[in-house]
Amino acid sequence: KAGVTQTPRYLIKTRGQQVTLSCSPISGHRSVSWYQQTPGQGLQFLFEYFSETQRNKGNFPGRFSGRQFSNSRSEMNVSTLELGDSALYLCASSLGRGLQETQYFGPGTRLLVL
Amino acid sequence: SQELEQSPQSLIVQEGKNLTINCTSSKTLYGLYWYKQKYGEGLIFLMMLQKGGEEKSHEKITAKLDEKKQQSSLHITASQPSHAGIYLCGADRGQGGSEKLVFGKGMKLTVNP
Repeated sequence: KAGVTQTPRYLIKTRGQQVTLSCSPISGHRSVSWYQQTPGQGLQFLFEYFSETQRNKGNFPGRFSGRQFSNSRSEMNVSTLELGDSALYLCASSLGRGLQETQYFGPGTRLLVL
Repeated sequence: SQELEQSPQSLIVQEGKNLTINCTSSKTLYGLYWYKQKYGEGLIFLMMLQKGGEEKSHEKITAKLDEKKQQSSLHITASQPSHAGIYLCGADRGQGGSEKLVFGKGMKLTVNP
């Protein structure tokens, strides 16, 4: 089975712009979660989608949003980019959303905001 | 304060040496995950521990969960350069938690040949 794929792998944007990142989960997985990883804060949970509905949301401003499509693919959007949004954005998928459902991560999208 | 504390923060060992990484939680553990990350890349799932006292092994890596201490340890036997990377522990928050998983800051392992 193919793993989690994320596109693009690298992105450079300027402050004030917006960006959309894409994630394709492992076939059959219905839950997709997004995380932001920075050297200072480590890995932080952004949100989780299951059956096209946002189920959980981390402590991030409203500039960060996402959605999930009927085929479980997910996108996240960041509007009005700030320098501090530079990070590695990781997507993870799992079969369901119950406790102790193993999450499998994609390679990430590295975003640099200038 | 960090919910999951990992120690040590970094480690440099000579190839062939054994080592242990610890992950201590300030809250009840419902499930503990270990992942490995090469710099700037995604996380590779190593193993998940669900119950106190549980121990799992994969190749030369063994992880244990001590529910009473709310702690997990990851032990690498006869380390190799391929073991180098960042080891992250993650924990389920359980019912009512708003986050899918919370993670420690990671432990950077360097293995010198």
